Amino acid sequence: EVQLVESGGGLVQPGGSLRLSCAASGFTFSSYEMNWVRQAPGKGLEWVSYISSSGSTIYYADSVKGRFTISRDNAKNSLYLQMNSLRAEDTAVYYCARERGVGWFDPWGQGTLVTVSS
Amino acid sequence: QSALTQPASVSGSPGQSITISCTGTSSDVGSYNLVSWYQQHPGKAPKLMIYEVSKRPSGVSNRFSGSKSGNTASLTISGLQAEDEADYYCCSYAGSSISWVFGGGTKLTVL
Repeated sequence: EVQLVESGGGLVQPGGSLRLSCAASGFTFSSYEMNWVRQAPGKGLEWVSYISSSGSTIYYADSVKGRFTISRDNAKNSLYLQMNSLRAEDTAVYYCARERGVGWFDPWGQGTLVTVSS
Repeated sequence: QSALTQPASVSGSPGQSITISCTGTSSDVGSYNLVSWYQQHPGKAPKLMIYEVSKRPSGVSNRFSGSKSGNTASLTISGLQAEDEADYYCCSYAGSSISWVFGGGTKLTVL
């Protein structure tokens, strides 16, 4: 069964840092591009970041550029999101999602909640 | 990059058909046949329903269909069922540096 499991969310103060992880199983992780997508409470989906299968190509949404860093470890079947200089508006459920084709995400993990508050 | 525009809500009775629109620009929806649709039930992760405008992943009911005309994509659900009640999001590729943009979401209510 193809599965993605996020972890690492929690409560952090503004300006703080957090590292999210996404553990993949049931497929050849190193063959797929991966993404992070977030959803603020009661709001819609927002694409956050993309990483190619090898890790050589990376993109970020303007809202997180310069503060967030996406990475992956294909030997550990894991995807990461290092989040620095966190702001209240970064509060959201963060999902990792496999990109099966250009622009379509399947499956998604169950999400991990990040709350930025003092 | 602005979000794609979707109606906030749509509704229909069981057995009826509904259509959800998703309006973008010539830089995203209008430029690429790379529109996807996701269904999200409360407290759950999104689920892929349509990809590349009109293709259905295996396991998705053929009651779900997608189309596109110009800068607007559409998701049609025929034979509405109670379990179709959920939020629906469109997504479009927007070029290599901007990458992906989502719609604001549409809440479907089955009356």
